[in-house]
Parts: sequence; C-alpha cells; structure tokens
Amino acid sequence: DTGVSQDPRHKITKRGQNVTFRCDPISEHNRLYWYRQTLGQGPEFLTYFQNEAQLEKSRLLSDRFSAERPKGSFSTLEIQRTEQGDSAMYLCASRGEQGGNEAFFGQGTRLTVV
Amino acid sequence: AQSVAQPEDQVNVAEGNPLTVKCTYSVSGNPYLFWYVQYPNRGLQFLLKYITGDNLVKGSYGFEAEFNKSQTSFHLKKPSALVSDSALYFCAVRDYGGSQGNLIFGKGTKLSVKP
Repeated sequence: DTGVSQDPRHKITKRGQNVTFRCDPISEHNRLYWYRQTLGQGPEFLTYFQNEAQLEKSRLLSDRFSAERPKGSFSTLEIQRTEQGDSAMYLCASRGEQGGNEAFFGQGTRLTVV
Repeated sequence: AQSVAQPEDQVNVAEGNPLTVKCTYSVSGNPYLFWYVQYPNRGLQFLLKYITGDNLVKGSYGFEAEFNKSQTSFHLKKPSALVSDSALYFCAVRDYGGSQGNLIFGKGTKLSVKP
C-alpha cells in the first residue's frame, strides 16, 4: 500500500495521559498536514510541514500539542495531558509540490478520552 | 477570509436518479476547489478538483462538478446515483491566504441513496 498510513487507528486514553500518533505520508510527498475532525464537522487544519520544517500552526494547536517530522519522512503528533475535548478523529494528509495537487488522506486515528 | 459553505446537511436521492450536492465558496483570488468523500470511520478520499480550465470537471466513480465563477459555486453531480454512493461529502478550498496551502472544508453533506 503506497498511500498515507496512520497508526494507531483507534486510541482510548484516560484524561491526563499523553498520547502520540504517527503518520507515514506518500514517500515522494514533501508536504504533510495534520487535521482534526469532530463529529458533524469538516476537518480543521492543525499544522503543516514542508520536509522537516514545521511552517504553520493553527490556533487550534494548544501548548499541549506538539508535532514533529524528523528527516522529513514520517510525522508524529503528541497530545500531553489529554482532555475530554481532545476526543476527535486526527487526520494526516500529504501532497506533492505543485500548487494544484490534491492532498491524500490517511484513515485517521480516532481518539477517545475517558 | 476564505470559506466554504455546504447548505444542506443531508441529501436524499432514490437509486438511479441524478444527484446534486451543493457547495459555495468565498476566496480572495482564483480558487482551487476540491471534493472529498468519507465513508464511516474512514479517512477522506479525493473525488475531483478544479484548478483552471474547463468549468465541468470529471472525477472518480462517475462524479462530476461544475465550477460557476459568477455564482461562486462548485456543485457535485452524478447522473445516476447508486446505493453505494451513500456517504459524507466534503467540499474544500485551498487556503493561500498567508498559509501553506492547507484545505478549508465545509461541514459536509450526508448523501443517502435509497434503493
């Protein structure tokens, strides 16, 4: 499978715990995005990487959230001290260099904070 | 600010009938517009895009969309709906307003196709 893959698919955690999600983009894509989707809403942008550089962070990305993309390959999204409001689907997407290129999404990681 | 609106939360269609899912947009420059489909507990699958050129764009699974600049619309259409088309559909515009090309999504329209 040469698409975008995310791990884990589902995560249930207790409030206050830390969680980390992984995204493996399509190998030749240098642009990687994280989105959050809550029930009944469209995905909302969280952060963007071009190669290993994190170039943009949304105001939705509180101080408890951190993302990395070492070596410009896979990316991780960590949430510290999780809250119930963090429960959502976290989606990763990647795309190629050209401005008109579509983004390809992974299956997402569904986080439930109990 | 750039935005996308999907005025219908749900669209119900009988199998075999044509379907339309509506989308309007607001951008400051030339829009890059996209349609994605989402099946339950799955990620988003790309259907089609408008970047430039012909106003009628064709995409996956028999879907097409018509770009109308004067009405700022990008409605998704299919001549004959299938039960398997039932899913959540998202319209999106690429944000170039000081950002790096992330997508701004509408709230989604649930399409229900009945046999």
